[in-house]
Amino acid sequence: DAGITQSPRHKVTETGTPVTLRCHQTENHRYMYWYRQDPGHGLRLIHYSYGVKDTDKGEVSDGYSVSRSKTEDFLLTLESATSSQTSVYFCAISEVEGGTEAFFGQGTRLTVV
Amino acid sequence: GENVEQHPSTLSVQEGDSAVIKCTYSDSASNYFPWYKQELGKRPQLIIDIRSNVGEKKDQRIAVTLNKTAKHFSLHITETQPEDSAVYFCAVMDTGRRALTFGSGTRLQVQP
Repeated sequence: DAGITQSPRHKVTETGTPVTLRCHQTENHRYMYWYRQDPGHGLRLIHYSYGVKDTDKGEVSDGYSVSRSKTEDFLLTLESATSSQTSVYFCAISEVEGGTEAFFGQGTRLTVV
Repeated sequence: GENVEQHPSTLSVQEGDSAVIKCTYSDSASNYFPWYKQELGKRPQLIIDIRSNVGEKKDQRIAVTLNKTAKHFSLHITETQPEDSAVYFCAVMDTGRRALTFGSGTRLQVQP
């Protein structure tokens, strides 16, 4: 498996609190992605990064922000968690733009109560 | 952005039968089409992919076909086995966002 780890693996938080999820890679891949997975919706793109400090929005970016200060780390922040953000979050990495395999982390199960 | 539709949402077959899952996409400029398998509680993993300059690709019991004119591609699994039971996702490279857009998934159940 590609060297990609997510932390934490599980988290329960209260509505209105900030939450940060971390994705760490040891592959030196340029592209990093955050997806959320919900029943019936597959994997939906939240934000992605194509280099240090270079990020862009995906299709479900509202309520989320990201930062990438180093090649190996991509952070996803929920500024004020809501119950609708209860989901499984996957980080993915890819070496080059378009046309190559994306490797996924193990996922983070987030529950907002 | 890219729009990907996947059918069926669930599929049950007998062991040894074939299974076919179909996806359609909207952006004619898309050029990369991977399929991922996700077992319960695990991460999605690539099982096969195809690029737009190829019409069909095979890897043992798995094959993918691509019809660029009609903007659809399919996953074919022959001689299914119980360990093929999983959720399968098609994906398309969104040329605008430089990220994969996924279908909603197909839960395949292979009955022994």
